[in-house]
Amino acid sequence: GQNIDQPTEMTATEGAIVQINCTYQTSGFNGLFWYQQHAGEAPTFLSYNVLDGLEEKGRFSSFLSRSKGYSYLLLKELQMKDSASYLCAVSGSRPGNTGKLIFGQGTTLQVKP
Amino acid sequence: DTGVSQDPRHKITKRGQNVTFRCDPISEHNRLYWYRQTLGQGPEFLTYFQNEAQLEKSRLLSDRFSAERPKGSFSTLEIQRTEQGDSAMYLCASSLTSGGETQYFGPGTRLLVL
Repeated sequence: GQNIDQPTEMTATEGAIVQINCTYQTSGFNGLFWYQQHAGEAPTFLSYNVLDGLEEKGRFSSFLSRSKGYSYLLLKELQMKDSASYLCAVSGSRPGNTGKLIFGQGTTLQVKP
Repeated sequence: DTGVSQDPRHKITKRGQNVTFRCDPISEHNRLYWYRQTLGQGPEFLTYFQNEAQLEKSRLLSDRFSAERPKGSFSTLEIQRTEQGDSAMYLCASSLTSGGETQYFGPGTRLLVL
């Protein structure tokens, strides 16, 4: 089966650091994506990991361990506008390699003053 | 604007009616995906096109659903005999070539079936 797990909700304080975890079990793997989705809007791309390690992009970093089926998204210097849902998604499930994304349920992050 | 566009943005219909949604992908992208998202859940894959060929359909896509991409550019998703359970956000995404390429999402069509 295919399964992606992430916490349903998290709360953090403005200016702080928050880590959103994602574990996955999928039939194939061609990369892991993180998307941000504000309420009522489309998901927007944040990061992509295909090799183990940390990818840093400004205030956002994403980590991948393929052997553990584990990723996290790290948000630094939190701002109120970071309040959103964060979606973990895996690409590349077999058979074939269509690139379709399998999403977790999303983690709703609330940033408080 | 060169992003993915979808039309309409909102649709309210009565149970049993047919609805059709349109997606215009980023122009150079040859892969196009449809997803469905319900409240509090992540998007679920429905179907995928590479150019004009529909190469994969989810088992979620019952025979009331049909999708086309006749010229390898825009795509349409039709739902026949809508049911209340079809109420959801329908998202379209496009990407270049092979798996691992970033998918860019349109704003979605929010469907409400009364």
